[in-house]
Amino acid sequence: KAGVTQTPRYLIKTRGQQVTLSCSPISGHRSVSWYQQTPGQGLQFLFEYFSETQRNKGNFPGRFSGRQFSNSRSEMNVSTLELGDSALYLCASSFSVLDTQYFGPGTRLTVL
Amino acid sequence: KQEVTQIPAALSVPEGENLVLNCSFTDSAIYNLQWFRQDPGKGLTSLLLIQSSQREQTSGRLNASLDKSSGRSTLYIAASQPGDSATYLCAGSGSGGSNYKLTFGKGTLLTVNP
Repeated sequence: KAGVTQTPRYLIKTRGQQVTLSCSPISGHRSVSWYQQTPGQGLQFLFEYFSETQRNKGNFPGRFSGRQFSNSRSEMNVSTLELGDSALYLCASSFSVLDTQYFGPGTRLTVL
Repeated sequence: KQEVTQIPAALSVPEGENLVLNCSFTDSAIYNLQWFRQDPGKGLTSLLLIQSSQREQTSGRLNASLDKSSGRSTLYIAASQPGDSATYLCAGSGSGGSNYKLTFGKGTLLTVNP
């Protein structure tokens, strides 16, 4: 069974631009979560989706948004990029958020 | 608000040694606790999941325990190998309702020296 895939793996953007990251969960998984990982803050929760509904959102500004499609694939969007948005963005999927979470390899975003 | 702490932040041991990684959490109403490993620049690999009704889980040389009353979990690694070198993270999930998220500790960087 294929694991969680994330595209693209690497991105370089400049301040003020916007970016869209994609996550394809493991087949059959309906819960998709997004996390931001930085050296200073560690792993921080962004949001969680289940059956196209956002059930929880972390403490991030409104520039961070996401959505989930009917096939459970998910995207997250960051608008008006700031230098501090440089991070590894990780996506995780599971049957339900309270089950084992399986993480993708992440998207490394660099904002110049 | 759940807070997760991992001690020590870094640990260096010789190959073959048994070791324990510690994780503490503030909210005892935890639903489950999961241990992950992360290799440099990579995503997270799930190691063990302990449900709140369980006391421990084992997989190969790994054993994880959960004590909700004291707010602690430990990951025991037996007969450590250089391939075990990685950052180990613990994460707790809430007790349901709207708390659909994992709260992570900052991790323990483990180095196993040949």
